[in-house]
Amino acid sequence: QVQLVQSGAEVKKPGASLKVSCKASGYTFTSFAISWVRQAPGQGLEWLGWISAYNGNRNYAQKFQGRVTMTTDTSTNTAYMELKSLRSDDTAVYFCARHKGSSHWLDPWGQGTQVTVSS
Amino acid sequence: NFMLTQPHSVSESPGKTLTISCTRSSGSIVSNYVQWYQQRPGSAPTTVIYEDNQRPSGVPDRFSGSIDSSSNSASLTISGLKTEDEADYYCQSYDSTNHVVFGGGTKLTVL
Repeated sequence: QVQLVQSGAEVKKPGASLKVSCKASGYTFTSFAISWVRQAPGQGLEWLGWISAYNGNRNYAQKFQGRVTMTTDTSTNTAYMELKSLRSDDTAVYFCARHKGSSHWLDPWGQGTQVTVSS
Repeated sequence: NFMLTQPHSVSESPGKTLTISCTRSSGSIVSNYVQWYQQRPGSAPTTVIYEDNQRPSGVPDRFSGSIDSSSNSASLTISGLKTEDEADYYCQSYDSTNHVVFGGGTKLTVL
């Protein structure tokens, strides 16, 4: 079955960087993109961007331009999301999701990675 | 860019039918597919409707999606409400630059 498994919870200090991994299985990795979405405590879903696993093309939300970097490793079917210059309001659960390009349908989603930014 | 506006919360009794709206602020709702996700506390979102009105396998046919160009909105209808339907529901679409857009989410209470 199609599955995305994310790396474990992280605690970071303000100003540090974060790198979350998302390992895909059960489908041809290079046939889809991967989107990254976060959810702050008690809040809604916020999209950070997507990366094509086929050619590495990236599309980032304006809000995160310059602070986020998304990459993929096709040898291990793994996507990565790096976020720099962390602030307390980056505290959230970060999700990856398989992204169907034609309709921009996100499915399935990874289990989520809790990230806490605190001094 | 546009926004998707959902009611913050809705409630209904078991067995009833309920509709959650998702209104697009600018541009036509029919221009871009709309998805609906269900999120239970502590879990990742899962799809209940994709591409406006398609149901993934395993999602009960009590869930249906529609688009209304006159109100520029998408709707998620849940019939025969069950207590297990209690969750947050998010609509999602995309803009002309292929940026993903989420609605603010609707908390459904079945009481």
